[in-house]
Amino acid sequence: SQQGEEDPQALSIQEGENATMNCSYKTSINNLQWYRQNSGRGLVHLILIRSNEREKHSGRLRVTLDTSKKSSSLLITASRAADTASYFCATGNAGNMLTFGGGTRLMVKP
Amino acid sequence: DAGVIQSPRHEVTEMGQEVTLRCKPISGHDYLFWYRQTMMRGLELLIYFNNNVPIDDSGMPEDRFSAKMPNASFSTLKIQPSEPRDSAVYFCASSYNGAVYSPLHFGNGTRLTVT
Repeated sequence: SQQGEEDPQALSIQEGENATMNCSYKTSINNLQWYRQNSGRGLVHLILIRSNEREKHSGRLRVTLDTSKKSSSLLITASRAADTASYFCATGNAGNMLTFGGGTRLMVKP
Repeated sequence: DAGVIQSPRHEVTEMGQEVTLRCKPISGHDYLFWYRQTMMRGLELLIYFNNNVPIDDSGMPEDRFSAKMPNASFSTLKIQPSEPRDSAVYFCASSYNGAVYSPLHFGNGTRLTVT
């Protein structure tokens, strides 16, 4: 079963614009992670935010976490064509297991 | 570091045949995970190992699926007999300190087609 649900399912923007993806989850978590998947490849880890953190940055990425609303967002600023990929949130809880959402397909048009 | 290595990249087989997928985790990683990805069900955790010991196999669909980790540098996922509904991309991932504390490193997957 999927713990996280991403919104929107698909997003198309122009190069240079910002892209925001949202993730909602159902149960308590220890951390929340975001991954990127290019077509035909494995998932690549982007950022991990712990349950006691509210915001985290990594380069052009900004992740927020609101545990009271059980939601997280991923912001990609100044998007590039190379950012075209699927983005997944994943929640980690007791038991060392990560549960992935259904993903957001991002297309950045040059 | 070569990353997580999976083989084969593609596997096409007929229903009823045995399929073996292979994975070499990153050296020094104590956790190994097998996931399955389909359009309908997304990414599903099948089983994970810690220090070569299976910890949770509740995601394994049925008895036709089995996984082993004979040593720290090798794991297999076997399907016997295979069925068309097993068609999917199977990913292996490893991590240093479990999914709660550290990120997963994924291989590029094995695309399995069962006809």
